[in-house]
Amino acid sequence: QQPVQSPQAVILREGEDAVINCSSSKALYSVHWYRQKHGEAPVFLMILLKGGEQKGHDKISASFNEKKQQSSLYLTASQLSYSGTYFCGTEQIGGGNKLTFGTGTQLKVEL
Amino acid sequence: ETGVTQTPRHLVMGMTNKKSLKCEQHLGHNAMYWYKQSAKKPLELMFVYSLEERVENNSVPSRFSPECPNSSHLFLHLHTLQPEDSALYLCASTPSATRNNEQFFGPGTRLTVL
Repeated sequence: QQPVQSPQAVILREGEDAVINCSSSKALYSVHWYRQKHGEAPVFLMILLKGGEQKGHDKISASFNEKKQQSSLYLTASQLSYSGTYFCGTEQIGGGNKLTFGTGTQLKVEL
Repeated sequence: ETGVTQTPRHLVMGMTNKKSLKCEQHLGHNAMYWYKQSAKKPLELMFVYSLEERVENNSVPSRFSPECPNSSHLFLHLHTLQPEDSALYLCASTPSATRNNEQFFGPGTRLTVL
């Protein structure tokens, strides 16, 4: 079953912060985050593991609440280059070694 | 070439045509994947190959036929497709087909079925 992402879309001014949420109804081994710019391949941002800790990537960080099967991606002091569609992918316990992706969150950063 | 490459980048075909999509990875990985990305829908996993063996077939119609001749190359053979098959087809690779692996995606093939 696919995870649910929120919001579906968000527009920011450069320098503002944003939070993107990913929620699953299934118990999870891990949550992955990817960003896809228009016409380009999705690019890996980070992975959060069951029993693991919060992982950061420059000004982008994320958390994983194992009890709630939820992950949040935090983008601080956003830059124009952050624009794109953000996907979470979940590895479900009992779901085999595969990623199930959410519908994505479109992020646009403006001047 | 580095990373994951896909050809062609764009393809227009009729419902009676037969065509193939090609993916090549230059990362030394042992697992390769086909995904379908349609507008307003999440990425859908189609097939997984590990060491050239198919380990996952996600209820994909038989008009899509994958082939993995070696660990660096993956093909998707298409025949008698439907207009609803129009989508972006993404290839990805990982070091192995186990958990917790970062997926390396190719740029995709934009397929239009007329």
